[in-house]
Amino acid sequence: GAGVSQTPSNKVTEKGKYVELRCDPISGHTALYWYRQSLGQGPEFLIYFQGTGAADDSGLPNDRFFAVRPEGSVSTLKIQRTERGDSAVYLCASSPRHLNTEAFFGQGTRLTVV
Amino acid sequence: GQSLEQPSEVTAVEGAIVQINCTYQTSGFYGLSWYQQHDGGAPTFLSYNALDGLEETGRFSSFLSRSDSYGYLLLQELQMKDSASYFCAVRDPGSGAGSYQLTFGKGTKLSVIP
Repeated sequence: GAGVSQTPSNKVTEKGKYVELRCDPISGHTALYWYRQSLGQGPEFLIYFQGTGAADDSGLPNDRFFAVRPEGSVSTLKIQRTERGDSAVYLCASSPRHLNTEAFFGQGTRLTVV
Repeated sequence: GQSLEQPSEVTAVEGAIVQINCTYQTSGFYGLSWYQQHDGGAPTFLSYNALDGLEETGRFSSFLSRSDSYGYLLLQELQMKDSASYFCAVRDPGSGAGSYQLTFGKGTKLSVIP
């Protein structure tokens, strides 16, 4: 596609449920990033993929969060046993290669845990 | 760890010039990026400085002083559509082998008034 696509755009879930957020990067981009953004804050790094492997997952807040990118393209961020504090906009970004100076962001998924 | 400081809010008059400062403390540094984000939108890339000096792109310019751990974004001939949040972001090595991530500031909300 023309840009980074994230689905769903909005997700409301009950506390304790499991959710999956999908990111479809720009075709050919090998680097993929997940960020989380709370209201009035800057994006907070979660995880970075170079190809299929997670090169840096140091930003994942705890073991309830997990992300995969099995074929080096689409990525899924998975959150188990959701908590109200997980409510935020989850942003995905991609770059043509890991040293590229520009990251292209999707519109994000707004997750609300009630 | 990494930290970036930028003003939380700035107000400027249409047609004027505004400067948004950013100071950073990071354990590693490749360069300083600036992103613009309209309410409800995706962050979009504005500029990147890896070396000291001024980079100009149309009405926007960005400056970096590595020795001072300081940079700024300069917006000229302000237009109403420039009202948005502006984030500085440090490109740093991250904590994984071959990693490469962006660490964002909390953002500066720019309001352009007639």
